[in-house]
Amino acid sequence: TVLTQSPGALSVSPGERVTLSCRASRSLNSNYLSWYQLRPGQAPRLLIYGATTRASGIPDRFSGSGSGTDFTLTITSLEPEDSAVYYCQEYDTSPWTFGPGTKVEIK
Amino acid sequence: QVQLLESGPGLVKPSETLSLNCNVSGGSVDLYYWSWIRHSPGEGLEWIGHIYYTGNTNYNPSLKSRVSISIDASKDQFTLNLMSVTAADTAVYYCASLSHYNTHWYFGLWSRGTRVIVSS
Repeated sequence: TVLTQSPGALSVSPGERVTLSCRASRSLNSNYLSWYQLRPGQAPRLLIYGATTRASGIPDRFSGSGSGTDFTLTITSLEPEDSAVYYCQEYDTSPWTFGPGTKVEIK
Repeated sequence: QVQLLESGPGLVKPSETLSLNCNVSGGSVDLYYWSWIRHSPGEGLEWIGHIYYTGNTNYNPSLKSRVSISIDASKDQFTLNLMSVTAADTAVYYCASLSHYNTHWYFGLWSRGTRVIVSS
């Protein structure tokens, strides 16, 4: 399964809303899709699994939506620490694959 | 709190074996499945494979002929061996826990990653 993410990068002011897209090359059963955050020098962090379920300890400004082939990660009211690259990942069929990522920069 | 601590060389010669250890600190390896994931400029993030504490493994078919993951429950650590490496194997390697809730699987806990360069 090929995952495509858009946009490739964006620059956003603190407090703004960010919407990141992930599209799968085929429909994912049971919304088997996760989102991860990678910040330089830090351990990657699970944000969302099952397309919509927020992982433990993740702030509620992060939310996931979508089904089938089209999924979205939304960050409401962007914080400076949200500067990172965000990856979607499917776990419907092996080998599990990741999208190419969306880089979010803070203005 | 469970933490994952990697160890291993940062430079490997072409055709040799890349070997990395991941120590599960503050927990036990029978808690979860355990994975290796790498991040390279060319391929992005790539799932390498995972292992259960029983020793059962699952590998990415693209690497299956060269990869081996093992686990030592007595030491609470698991190991990645990638044979016959080339420059294409240059990447940041992460170890991660693999958990599931119902039928949903996720990499819940990650290491900070180790950069491995393949060069003579």
